[in-house]
Amino acid sequence: QVQLQESGPGLVKPSETLSLTCTVSGYSINSGYYWSWIRQSPEKGLEWIATINRGGDTYYNLSLKSRVSISVDTSKNQFSLKLSSVTAADTAVYYCVRYVAPIFYFDYWGQGALVTVSS
Amino acid sequence: QSALTQPPSASGSPGQSVTISCTGTSSDVGGYNCVSWYQQHPGKAPKLIIYEVNKRPSGVPDRFSGSKSGNTASLTVSGLQAEDEADYYCASYAANYYAFGTGTKVSVL
Repeated sequence: QVQLQESGPGLVKPSETLSLTCTVSGYSINSGYYWSWIRQSPEKGLEWIATINRGGDTYYNLSLKSRVSISVDTSKNQFSLKLSSVTAADTAVYYCVRYVAPIFYFDYWGQGALVTVSS
Repeated sequence: QSALTQPPSASGSPGQSVTISCTGTSSDVGGYNCVSWYQQHPGKAPKLIIYEVNKRPSGVPDRFSGSKSGNTASLTVSGLQAEDEADYYCASYAANYYAFGTGTKVSVL
């Protein structure tokens, strides 16, 4: 059974960088599929942030691209998200998700990590 | 890059059917057969219930069905059960972007 688990600080100060890691179990990232970050807030609903594959090809939401970086560590079966210069508007539940291409859907989701931006 | 439009709420009695619409444009819903639907219970992560417009993942009851006409996709829940009370979101590929719907809260009366 594929499982994803987010980890990282739950509180980040404004203007700092949000960093999250997703640990995948039950499936090797090296075997394929794509891996994504999605966030959810009451104000914006569900919002796709970024996607990466095992080869390191990256795809970003253009509205966040200047602040976002996604990376993969196949040796640890993990992928990570960095979002810089955060503001209160970045407060959300962040999900790591497995993404199925080229049919385009998200089949396995982590439980979600609440990240609050506040001083 | 706009959100897909869904009605805020829908409801039905147990055993009845409810249909939720998801309206986009020719650049997303209308342009690709890549619409998916997700069910989310309070405090839980979304769960995939429909992909590729009308396909169900293993384990999802056949009470859930999807369709699409032009720029609008629809999710129908037949034979409503108490556990179907949840938020439902559509999503669509849109050329290097993934648009989500605004969400619909389904209540079982």
